[in-house]
Amino acid sequence: GAGVSQTPSNKVTEKGKYVELRCDPISGHTALYWYRQSLGQGPEFLIYFQGTGAADDSGLPNDRFFAVRPEGSVSTLKIQRTERGDSAVYLCASSQGLDGDTQYFGPGTRLTVL
Amino acid sequence: GNSVTQMEGPVTLSEEAFLTINCTYTATGYPSLFWYVQYPGEGLQLLLKATKADDKGSNKGFEATYRKETTSFHLEKGSVQVSDSAVYFCALRMDSSYKLIFGSGTRLLVRP
Repeated sequence: GAGVSQTPSNKVTEKGKYVELRCDPISGHTALYWYRQSLGQGPEFLIYFQGTGAADDSGLPNDRFFAVRPEGSVSTLKIQRTERGDSAVYLCASSQGLDGDTQYFGPGTRLTVL
Repeated sequence: GNSVTQMEGPVTLSEEAFLTINCTYTATGYPSLFWYVQYPGEGLQLLLKATKADDKGSNKGFEATYRKETTSFHLEKGSVQVSDSAVYFCALRMDSSYKLIFGSGTRLLVRP
């Protein structure tokens, strides 16, 4: 079956602009996670959802970052007033539940802020 | 806080050589431990995991043993192939949380 998909695969924007990154999880997966991976580093947790609600958003770096999952499936990560330091690969993962389930990762969206 | 430390890469080996990638962790409690692999152009994939001390995770010829006494989870393979060339990430997850905490990754390059 289809894995986790993310769009766009690449996004180039200018400092100060607004961007949206989309994640389509594996069908039937109730848990969804966002991570950010800077060059040469491992992924860092941003937020996760159980169903439609954000169960833990402690990794969001500041209030310019926001994520939604209105119908419990597709999620959108929104970044306002982008800064050059936001440049990274944004990874999405999903799992069937939360407790002990394997997280399946998408290919990521590479965001470049000029 | 909780963290994972991996050996820096790149690690360059000839085909059929023995592989060890070191991983140590710091955690308040007893985490579950994971190795993820990222092949070129692909997403992160779970390679193996162990959920308690002395457990051994294994997959595709790779093995790692959860060592509580040394807080380590080193990845090993007896005979690497060119197709094993990838970036390997060690990670932990605490029982009280669902987020993964990753190390910085180790790039492996296997030459024919």
